[in-house]
Amino acid sequence: IAGITQAPTSQILAAGRRMTLRCTQDMRHNAMYWYRQDLGLGLRLIHYSNTAGTTGKGEVPDGYSVSRANTDDFPLTLASAVPSQTSVYFCASSDSGTGELFFGEGSRLTVL
Amino acid sequence: GQNIDQPTEMTATEGAIVQINCTYQTSGFNGLFWYQQHAGEAPTFLSYNVLDGLEEKGRFSSFLSRSKGYSYLLLKELQMKDSASYLCAALDSNYQLIWGAGTKLIIKP
Repeated sequence: IAGITQAPTSQILAAGRRMTLRCTQDMRHNAMYWYRQDLGLGLRLIHYSNTAGTTGKGEVPDGYSVSRANTDDFPLTLASAVPSQTSVYFCASSDSGTGELFFGEGSRLTVL
Repeated sequence: GQNIDQPTEMTATEGAIVQINCTYQTSGFNGLFWYQQHAGEAPTFLSYNVLDGLEEKGRFSSFLSRSKGYSYLLLKELQMKDSASYLCAALDSNYQLIWGAGTKLIIKP
């Protein structure tokens, strides 16, 4: 059982480029989330989806977009990357949206 | 505003006991989570408290006082593998998680 798979695990990107971080889960969880984690700060929610076909904005949504075409996949897109988007990105899912979160292994993104 | 406070770093000795405190201020409250995160890895779930009191799970226990907006994570019989960051997170009235910055726990032999 894979749980949550993120890709790529690491990427260096030139500013202005478009980038999509992929996230796939095989647990049939309804809720999925994208967080960024920066040194000295707590996990910050970028976007979330409570169920397939719906998405919502989190605490820091600017510069990011998501889609939820089906239960399993929740890609995060940076339309035009900027250096301030250098971070570690975690995808997570939960069964009900109120319970335990299961995290992917993270994607380390560096924007130069 | 909503806020979670926890110490940035703590040091403890192998075999000892350590208590990591967390205070929270949220719009409504639907529970308090603790997660463990080893360096370079994803957070993993440790505990969830929604009622006042102590929840024990092996060497780890978590306590909640809703009236004080306070929780702690107690780790007993510390092992070197317990060296990690411990993240406190509160679930607000909209069922959104508010995360603390994490407490880095350093275990010394």
